[in-house]
Amino acid sequence: DSGVTQTPKHLITATGQRVTLRCSPRSGDLSVYWYQQSLDQGLQFLIQYYNGEERAKGNILERFSAQQFPDLHSELNLSSLELGDSALYFCASSVRGAETTRDTQYFGPGTRLTVL
Amino acid sequence: GENVEQHPSTLSVQEGDSAVIKCTYSDSASNYFPWYKQELGKRPQLIIDIRSNVGEKKDQRIAVTLNKTAKHFSLHITETQPEDSAVYFCAATGSNYQLIWGAGTKLIIKP
Repeated sequence: DSGVTQTPKHLITATGQRVTLRCSPRSGDLSVYWYQQSLDQGLQFLIQYYNGEERAKGNILERFSAQQFPDLHSELNLSSLELGDSALYFCASSVRGAETTRDTQYFGPGTRLTVL
Repeated sequence: GENVEQHPSTLSVQEGDSAVIKCTYSDSASNYFPWYKQELGKRPQLIIDIRSNVGEKKDQRIAVTLNKTAKHFSLHITETQPEDSAVYFCAATGSNYQLIWGAGTKLIIKP
């Protein structure tokens, strides 16, 4: 157990809908990262938040957005869902992730999203 | 742009033999190189990492070597066991404190 939690574990929805995925980082970690992993694919970095502020953006679609709250938990919002958005969505956390380039990322168990 | 190339994409070895996975990175400023193991349907888990001030690091059957001149690093697993079967990802730090990930290597341990 990495100490990072994600809810829900599974989510099944229809095209065009909107969903929210939630992530709680390890105690004391200030950075949260979101990744998308499609079937048998690698990890696609979406976005990073550090202490409530957006820190870096990767290949995140405009239909997707995220935020990090004062208690440091984060939510990833996916809207106008398409079949191709079906994937495992992981969040990871690290202690800092902003002042150092050598921060270990700890992954949550993931949310499996299925869009029908 | 920044990228990390990982080879091979699939590696099949006999149980008890060694396995080597190689990664090449493009950013000469990269200074942190973690390796993650992901079992089917599970989260990626850090198995070993190396920082640019060392050339090699070992942890029991796992070792990582780093060649900064050539900009490549490798994961070595000795005496492979069935539980080593998984997908392995390498990564290297990029210009914005981000990790640049390799595409993954599926390691198959044959009994």
